[in-house]
Amino acid sequence: DVKVTQSSRYLVKRTGEKVFLECVQDMDHENMFWYRQDPGLGLRLIYFSYDVKMKEKGDIPEGYSVSREKKERFSLILESASTNQTSMYLCASSFIHEQFFGPGTRLTVL
Amino acid sequence: QKEVEQDPGPLSVPEGAIVSLNCTYSNSAFQYFMWYRQYSRKGPELLMYTYSSGNKEDGRFTAQVDKSSKYISLFIRDSQPSDSATYLCAMSADSGGGADGLTFGKGTHLIIQP
Repeated sequence: DVKVTQSSRYLVKRTGEKVFLECVQDMDHENMFWYRQDPGLGLRLIYFSYDVKMKEKGDIPEGYSVSREKKERFSLILESASTNQTSMYLCASSFIHEQFFGPGTRLTVL
Repeated sequence: QKEVEQDPGPLSVPEGAIVSLNCTYSNSAFQYFMWYRQYSRKGPELLMYTYSSGNKEDGRFTAQVDKSSKYISLFIRDSQPSDSATYLCAMSADSGGGADGLTFGKGTHLIIQP
């Protein structure tokens, strides 16, 4: 079975802090994705990567950056956390079209 | 016009009923269709994957795609309280490596009453 893991289930940070969310997949997938999920807005794509060191902006990249130094690991960085970045963050990986999701990180920014 | 429309619910049905969940879409290039189930405070779990039009069955679940109507459905037979969750449809037009990502509906919240 595909396994996607995320470094934290729950995280509380203060405004202005730099935040790192880590995602690891164990199926040698080429593609990895970061989404945020908010009530009434659904899943929104922040960034994705189709290869090591490659990254593409999604629909809402502002305030975020990403890093993919190894194929299995994709990191989301909030350079200076703000309260409007309080959300559920979901990582996914895929070989072709079917995406497999991690358990999510619920981030609260105070 | 939104690309993928999905009724948010909640949809409440008694245990044992047949459930029908639906999505409509506007992009005729979509050809890969998925259904995900998401329990509260968990990540989405892939339930069904279909390509182009037709039906696909897996246990109590049947996915149906009608590309001419731009309409997809998920049927759940003999529904159980454990089926209570949010169901998201997702679709892709990408004929390449999948890196373009998926377009998701906002999800339908389903409640199965014991």
